[in-house]
Amino acid sequence: GQQVMQIPQYQHVQEGEDFTTYCNSSTTLSNIQWYKQRPGGHPVFLIQLVKSGEVKKQKRLTFQFGEAKKNSSLHITATQTTDVGTYFCAGRNTGTASKLTFGTGTRLQVTL
Amino acid sequence: DTAVSQTPKYLVTQMGNDKSIKCEQNLGHDTMYWYKQDSKKFLKIMFSYNNKELIINETVPNRFSPKSPDKAHLNLHINSLELGDSAVYFCASSRYVDRALGEQYFGPGTRLTVT
Repeated sequence: GQQVMQIPQYQHVQEGEDFTTYCNSSTTLSNIQWYKQRPGGHPVFLIQLVKSGEVKKQKRLTFQFGEAKKNSSLHITATQTTDVGTYFCAGRNTGTASKLTFGTGTRLQVTL
Repeated sequence: DTAVSQTPKYLVTQMGNDKSIKCEQNLGHDTMYWYKQDSKKFLKIMFSYNNKELIINETVPNRFSPKSPDKAHLNLHINSLELGDSAVYFCASSRYVDRALGEQYFGPGTRLTVT
């Protein structure tokens, strides 16, 4: 079945440093979504990418969808303590209408 | 107003018991989901309903039975609970089933502990 892996599994940065998480799918995706889960919380939708090579920005967050639509990345510039949490990518297969396969997640810890 | 709500928030029970988790969404969405998040934080879809019809049924033991009395509610009943069922169960909903749309809104989760 489809697998979606993320690296790194965990990253600890100092506030102000940049952070990137990478997402790789074993199959071609129709679109990819990103979610953030704060400690003890629930996943919250951040963004959806649909087009090959698409880049979207949300303030300090930059999301990219690969040309082959099999990988994606999330880059955070100048991290803040409020960025702490686990970031998940979630891919939707080209052939499956409603099923999202979540990535393994990257846990981000930010210290002062 | 809570968009997706789940009850209970915490559930501690013994092996062999039967328990239910309830989920309600007030977003007017057509599609609802159950996810299981294990201790390593892996999120796996279990079931999905679109307008009360089961559309996704992953490889889940048949001790788990979802029920959707209407499109705003999706309940999960678990029979003969086992230690490995301990996890956080999230309910979610989305407006569309269509592949191009459908950001998912998650409930707060139910932490199930089986002893």
